[in-house]
Amino acid sequence: EAQVTQNPRYLITVTGKKLTVTCSQNMNHEYMSWYRQDPGLGLRQIYYSMNVEVTDKGDVPEGYKVSRKEKRNFPLILESPSPNQTSLYFCASSYQGLSDTQYFGPGTRLTVL
Amino acid sequence: AQKVTQAQTEISVVEKEDVTLDCVYETRDTTYYLFWYKQPPSGELVFLIRRNSFDEQNEISGRYSWNFQKSTSSFNFTITASQVVDSAVYFCALSEESSGDKLTFGTGTRLAVRP
Repeated sequence: EAQVTQNPRYLITVTGKKLTVTCSQNMNHEYMSWYRQDPGLGLRQIYYSMNVEVTDKGDVPEGYKVSRKEKRNFPLILESPSPNQTSLYFCASSYQGLSDTQYFGPGTRLTVL
Repeated sequence: AQKVTQAQTEISVVEKEDVTLDCVYETRDTTYYLFWYKQPPSGELVFLIRRNSFDEQNEISGRYSWNFQKSTSSFNFTITASQVVDSAVYFCALSEESSGDKLTFGTGTRLAVRP
């Protein structure tokens, strides 16, 4: 089944403890992206990647890192999480950028205490 | 800078009513793309439509239709004969050619369809 998976789905952590949210797609898509969703703010793009080893900042990249070492994986790294990064995070992928349908993962709800 | 405005925060209708969700965008690019996504109560995000700036034809897909008007920078979404299953948050989004594949979402409109 074609899908985008994220792990973990739920995470509660403490300020400053490094964490990684994984994202994987099995559709051989070149484009992958991370978003965060906050009440009243909609979805905001954090980072995106057009292909392996190519990443670009979205609207809210501060406090996040990403890497794209393999086409199927696009992990989101929070080196030193803070409470303002408490949010619902979505990963998405598409074949070649926004000209194609984006498939979203199920979301990861992160709480930083 | 690109910007998307969805002025309607919440809309409530009775089943079978028609409802229009508004989306107004700002861009300086001549080439850009507009999108609508649906987020049902279960939380997943579902792609509905993509439209490029050179194609102003209205689109109809079943009970869904989209009205793209460059003159007013709007890309409105109409649901005809709404159903309870249409209850969701709907997001409009914009990508400009000059920004690569960066996507900017509006804040969303929550639609509640009452039986």
